[in-house]
Amino acid sequence: AQTVTQSQPEMSVQEAETVTLSCTYDTSENNYYLFWYKQPPSRQMILVIRQEAYKQQNATENRFSVNFQKAAKSFSLKISDSQLGDTAMYFCAFILSGGGADGLTFGKGTHLIIQP
Amino acid sequence: ETGVTQTPRHLVMGMTNKKSLKCEQHLGHNAMYWYKQSAKKPLELMFVYSLEERVENNSVPSRFSPECPNSSHLFLHLHTLQPEDSALYLCASSQAPVATNEKLFFGSGTQLSVL
Repeated sequence: AQTVTQSQPEMSVQEAETVTLSCTYDTSENNYYLFWYKQPPSRQMILVIRQEAYKQQNATENRFSVNFQKAAKSFSLKISDSQLGDTAMYFCAFILSGGGADGLTFGKGTHLIIQP
Repeated sequence: ETGVTQTPRHLVMGMTNKKSLKCEQHLGHNAMYWYKQSAKKPLELMFVYSLEERVENNSVPSRFSPECPNSSHLFLHLHTLQPEDSALYLCASSQAPVATNEKLFFGSGTQLSVL
């Protein structure tokens, strides 16, 4: 079974700073996808960024980028120029290519607080 | 993004009550999911429906009973719940019949408290 570990239960940074959230995962498979989801106080989970394991290039979406280290099984999320609206729970998630019986496997989440 | 609506937003029920959670997606998606989000635990996939047929049931107790009458609606019927069932129940949908690299669209959840 796959596991996803987020070792930072909570982080706090000042507005406009850059913050990096860590995520590691464990799998014996070679083809999979990784995701970061954001859950603001409204509770609705929103996809932030997605990475295909077969791609070496790190995914970027505006202020959000990832550092994907396949050999180390690491998938960190970097938020540049952080904004108050970035305050939320952030979940790292994993799924095997082709789905898999368990669907998405999520980490426990990191609560990110952006201070004014 | 919107498109997945869950009702009610909050629910308090006794252990002997029967209640239902409702989810509706307006996105024309083919798959719908129920997830359980407990404090300090990873999200747990409970049920998956693809094209209105249940394709996954991850060892969920029978006191939780899902129903998918059509591709736009998903219900979770609750009866004889336990206090440890208190959690946020999230509904999600995806375009593909089974989510692979597909983006999941989530609702805002129902916060359930079992007394």
